[in-house]
Formats: sequence, structure tokens, C-alpha cells
Amino acid sequence: EDKVVQSPLSLVVHEGDTVTLNCSYEVTNFRSLLWYKQEKKAPTFLFMLTSSGIEKKSGRLSSILDKKELFSILNITATQTGDSAIYLCAVAAINAGNNRKLIWGLGTSLAVNP
Amino acid sequence: DGGITQSPKYLFRKEGQNVTLSCEQNLNHDAMYWYRQDPGQGLRLIYYSQIVNDFQKGDIAEGYSVSREKKESFPLTVTSAQKNPTAFYLCASSRRPPGQVGNEQFFGPGTRLTVL
Repeated sequence: EDKVVQSPLSLVVHEGDTVTLNCSYEVTNFRSLLWYKQEKKAPTFLFMLTSSGIEKKSGRLSSILDKKELFSILNITATQTGDSAIYLCAVAAINAGNNRKLIWGLGTSLAVNP
Repeated sequence: DGGITQSPKYLFRKEGQNVTLSCEQNLNHDAMYWYRQDPGQGLRLIYYSQIVNDFQKGDIAEGYSVSREKKESFPLTVTSAQKNPTAFYLCASSRRPPGQVGNEQFFGPGTRLTVL
């Protein structure tokens, strides 16, 4: 069965710390991995990764994919209280019935304290 | 402004009543999705539609129904057959289906449904 596992489930840090969030997956016919940030309401798109070893970067956030070891990490440097959110990982795959699916992890809840 | 709108933001219904949640997008996206989010459960797919007049069941379709008569609109009906309808419902759209270039999903603000 396809699955996406995120770790840790929750994390509390102080402002200025650097955090690394993990997303591992087991899917048939991997196509891409996506990271989202969810604050109070709707998830907002952060990154889409399709190739191993190529870092995607946006300000203090960066992410990289390892298709051999089947995981991705999301790094946040110099964290701020505004980074407090749930970070969701999702993997796009094509299953045995040739149906395209997006499989979601449970998310990592990050709290950044001042 | 391009985006996805969901209405209403909060909805209260009595047990046994059907209720329809609205989702509209003006992004010209082909694919649209409905998710349910419960605490500790992550996002679970209810229904999705890759094109007008076509939709597929997701992982938890029982007790729900959808229609896709227009590209912009994908309403979700929560029927009285749904055992635990109280939840946060998110609608999303993407230019292309999962696995294709342009598959990143953009979400609406959500509707919080409470069944009394």
C-alpha cells in the first residue's frame, strides 16, 4: 500500500533555530513530491521536487529529494514565529490501475517560540 | 484576482439533513479535488475530477456526492448517509492531474461543517 510518513509529528524550537523536517515514502511509480505549509486554514504550496539531489530554495526554506533512499527533507533556517504551522508532504504517483493519486503524510506541527 | 473560493466558511446542520458545500475556481484548472481534514488524520481524498462531467471516488467517498457540470465549479454534497460529517472540508484545484507537470494543488480557505 502506498504511504507517506513524516517525522517528527511535532516539534518545538526557539526563534533563530534551524529545523529539518523529514518525509519518507513508499509508492509505486513515483512522479513528484510536494511540500505545503498549513497555518490556520488552507495549505499553501511550497515546493515540488521531481529529481534527486537538486535543491529547491525559497528564502530561508529549502528542500531536497533522494529518490534512491525514498525521502525528502525540508530545512528552515533562522526560524521565526511566523514559521509556526503544519508542514505537509505529499507524493504524486500512478497506481496499478493507471490512476494518478496524491498521497498525503500526516504533517509535522512546528511551533517556533520567541 | 485568481483563486479558489469556498462557501460558507462555517456551516451548521442538524443530523439527517443533506448539505452542499460550494467550491469555485477561476484559475482555469482542469482538475479539482475535495478533501476532509480531521485532527491527527491528515488530508483524506473524498472525490476528484480531472475534467468536466467526469469525477472519481477518492478514499472516503461513502456518504458524499459531487458534480462537475462546469469547469469552474465542483460542489460537494454531504448526505445523511455520512456517519461522521463534522469536519473541516478543503477544496483544491490543479492545472493538471497528479503526476503531470503542473500538478501542484492550490487550496480554498475551507468550510468547517458541524452537524448537531
